[in-house]
Amino acid sequence: ETGVTQTPRHLVMGMTNKKSLKCEQHLGHNAMYWYKQSAKKPLELMFVYNFKEQTENNSVPSRFSPECPNSSHLFLHLHTLQPEDSALYLCASSQDGQGFYGYTFGSGTRLTVV
Amino acid sequence: KQEVTQIPAALSVPEGENLVLNCSFTDSAIYNLQWFRQDPGKGLTSLLLIQSSQREQTSGRLNASLDKSSGRSTLYIAASQPGDSATYLCAVKSGTASKLTFGTGTRLQVTL
Repeated sequence: ETGVTQTPRHLVMGMTNKKSLKCEQHLGHNAMYWYKQSAKKPLELMFVYNFKEQTENNSVPSRFSPECPNSSHLFLHLHTLQPEDSALYLCASSQDGQGFYGYTFGSGTRLTVV
Repeated sequence: KQEVTQIPAALSVPEGENLVLNCSFTDSAIYNLQWFRQDPGKGLTSLLLIQSSQREQTSGRLNASLDKSSGRSTLYIAASQPGDSATYLCAVKSGTASKLTFGTGTRLQVTL
């Protein structure tokens, strides 16, 4: 596979569940990102990882917990979410942490919290 | 704080027409600007990337221009096709921060 792959494509979870989103990039990039896209709102940056180290947390609630075990993989662990957390969660990567060569996005995970 | 605006929010054109999508940003100290396409419920597909030192980029029927001083970028689509129907997003990378600021997009429908 090439590009940025996200799994699962769709996820429905109850407010008391714990689930994880997975992102994998096959581009040899060094930076990875989580974005949230809610209806009628611009994409919101959640977390930034550069060479496996978290370099940015955009005031995201602790019920979202990212993990980056290596430069190719990024996870978003979810627990005790709220219905307003329902959104499309997009993973992205860039060759460097500055995005000089642009960003590549995955197809997203559509999350519904019931 | 960088703000990105896209006008119009929605656009419907007949097949074959040339069209222009607009993107404006408030802080001209940008690093680069990237245009994306998003199909309903899907991820983002990169179309064109313009560095701050460049004035335009072309790929096939697409041409993107950048005027930093006026805080504007346009995406020109020539000879539109129904397959071009999607939401087009403009994203600005400002300075050395990792943050990419997105507009809310223009939803394009090309009719037969």
